[in-house]
Amino acid sequence: EADIYQTPRYLVIGTGKKITLECSQTMGHDKMYWYQQDPGMELHLIHYSYGVNSTEKGDLSSESTVSRIRTEHFPLTLESARPSHTSQYLCASSVDYGYTFGSGTRLTVV
Amino acid sequence: GQNIDQPTEMTATEGAIVQINCTYQTSGFNGLFWYQQHAGEAPTFLSYNVLDGLEEKGRFSSFLSRSKGYSYLLLKELQMKDSASYLCAVSGAGSYQLTFGKGTKLSVIP
Repeated sequence: EADIYQTPRYLVIGTGKKITLECSQTMGHDKMYWYQQDPGMELHLIHYSYGVNSTEKGDLSSESTVSRIRTEHFPLTLESARPSHTSQYLCASSVDYGYTFGSGTRLTVV
Repeated sequence: GQNIDQPTEMTATEGAIVQINCTYQTSGFNGLFWYQQHAGEAPTFLSYNVLDGLEEKGRFSSFLSRSKGYSYLLLKELQMKDSASYLCAVSGAGSYQLTFGKGTKLSVIP
């Protein structure tokens, strides 16, 4: 039973398209995170939020943007997708330390 | 900044015991986490250490030495389903974000 949901699970999209990756959690966690992970590589933090209307950039420079207007929802948007954005995007949430991860979105930009 | 090192790959035999080491350098410390990640899936939480010593949870145990910047994950009675990547992650001072190592890919062979 998943308490944090990501959609879509897989996405293939053309260069230049705008896309939004959805992430929702039902646990009431105030902290949420987006990580990017290339195959066989480590997770890199790209955005995080500690509550409604609070968002920060992570360690990895990213051309994506996020919003947090509801506690349970933390979408990530790419205004103009490029092949370099091809990766897996993982959403996570937490109360304090330690995350619960969503299933991820595997994005391919062609 | 934070730096986390763990072996890239390990192989062990079904039924055996394997120890996966992790060394870290961090500015401040709020805890060390181990996650399991099967290929193509999201990481799942295994253990959390914030004080020195051993934490045991079924077949899995995790050890922490803060003075040495060292942790290990011990897996006993290995099963084929334990074949996965094991991620070491650290939370730094004043931060809820986790920094992940590159992961250790464990292959369990018959």
